[in-house]
Amino acid sequence: AQSVTQLGSHVSVSEGALVLLRCNYSSSVPPYLFWYVQYPNQGLQLLLKYTSAATLVKGINGFEAEFKKSETSFHLTKPSAHMSDAAEYFCAVSDGQAGTALIFGKGTTLSVSS
Amino acid sequence: DTGVSQDPRHKITKRGQNVTFRCDPISEHNRLYWYRQTLGQGPEFLTYFQNEAQLEKSRLLSDRFSAERPKGSFSTLEIQRTEQGDSAMYLCASSSSTGFNEKLFFGSGTQLSVL
Repeated sequence: AQSVTQLGSHVSVSEGALVLLRCNYSSSVPPYLFWYVQYPNQGLQLLLKYTSAATLVKGINGFEAEFKKSETSFHLTKPSAHMSDAAEYFCAVSDGQAGTALIFGKGTTLSVSS
Repeated sequence: DTGVSQDPRHKITKRGQNVTFRCDPISEHNRLYWYRQTLGQGPEFLTYFQNEAQLEKSRLLSDRFSAERPKGSFSTLEIQRTEQGDSAMYLCASSSSTGFNEKLFFGSGTQLSVL
């Protein structure tokens, strides 16, 4: 069975500071890993995904994530936070098979203060 | 391409009543998913369609839940004899690609409150 654990339900940073949102996964097969963002009253949007092509994945809005098999981690980072980054972020895993449902973590709420 | 549309945005009902939600996927997307999201949790998979065929159902989908996608376009999710535990955000997502290239597009959800 696959699962993801997001460490920290709430992260607060100052504008311009580094953003680090943590995600650890468990999977019996090579995983496909995703980060989604959910802004208030909007649907989830895909930020980036890892599908084994490269361990460092760059996404939209300046976010990136690094797949570390030895640590079973897929942490999301952004060098400099912007006020518009305030949202809820979800890490998700799948086995990559067509139609297989994504398994989501519980989410991390990111707050950005000026 | 107007995105995935869900109706209604909010639904308040009394315990024991039946409710039905609708999802209109992005046109020509052959895959459609339903998820449920409760407060403080990530989305949980409920069921999945490829065209009109319902290919997978989660054990979360009790007998009171039924989903259809009769013509392979829009989908409905019905909950019969609602319970307070059914209160949640119901999310729909669609996609057209397959395998590791699959990208899900999510709607804004239907927020259900069971009183």
